[in-house]
Amino acid sequence: IQLTQSPSFLSASVGDRVTITCRASQDISRSLAWYQQKPGIAPRLLIYTASTLQSGVPSRFSGSGSGTDFTLTLSSLQPEDFATYYCQQLNNYPYSFGQGTKLEI
Amino acid sequence: QVQLVESGGGVVQPGRSLRLSCTASGFIFSRYDMHWVRQAPGKGLEWLAFISYDGSNKYYADSVEGRITMSRDNSENTLYLQMNSLAPEDTAVYYCARDFRWHDAFDFWGQGTMVTVSS
Repeated sequence: IQLTQSPSFLSASVGDRVTITCRASQDISRSLAWYQQKPGIAPRLLIYTASTLQSGVPSRFSGSGSGTDFTLTLSSLQPEDFATYYCQQLNNYPYSFGQGTKLEI
Repeated sequence: QVQLVESGGGVVQPGRSLRLSCTASGFIFSRYDMHWVRQAPGKGLEWLAFISYDGSNKYYADSVEGRITMSRDNSENTLYLQMNSLAPEDTAVYYCARDFRWHDAFDFWGQGTMVTVSS
């Protein structure tokens, strides 16, 4: 299953609202996760099962979608949010990741 | 607290083999499915392999199937990734990750171990 994220690069400012899209090549129900990764650090789980916020993740992060179209929304960007974001499908093996969206200031 | 610590990375010549380890602590390792994920320099994440909590089921990415073997020793709380016939395109940081039971995600990741395949 291929996952296509858009955009691949995104420039924004502190306080902005941004949305990242992940499209699957086939129906994956709600078996989708979102991760944040900063340089040199392992990915951090943000959202699982498409829309459930992982414990400890700020509420400005939200996820939605089902089937083939999913979104990650950051409601008010904070300086620590500038990172690369990945979606991942866990509906079928082999699992797969999107190519990533780099969020830059 | 949950910890996953990878080891075994380094510089290896093309065609050689390497075994990576991931030592778990802070949770009951034998109850969790586990995964390996890699990331080539400057590239995205690539899922590599899965092993069930008891080692009875395994899945591999098409790109590495036949060259890698994932295993575990629940008595030692350790996960392994045996990699054979290494090629320069296997150069990456290798992460182990815990499967978030009954939820669709990986909830904890190790810090990664770097493997460089070069002559």
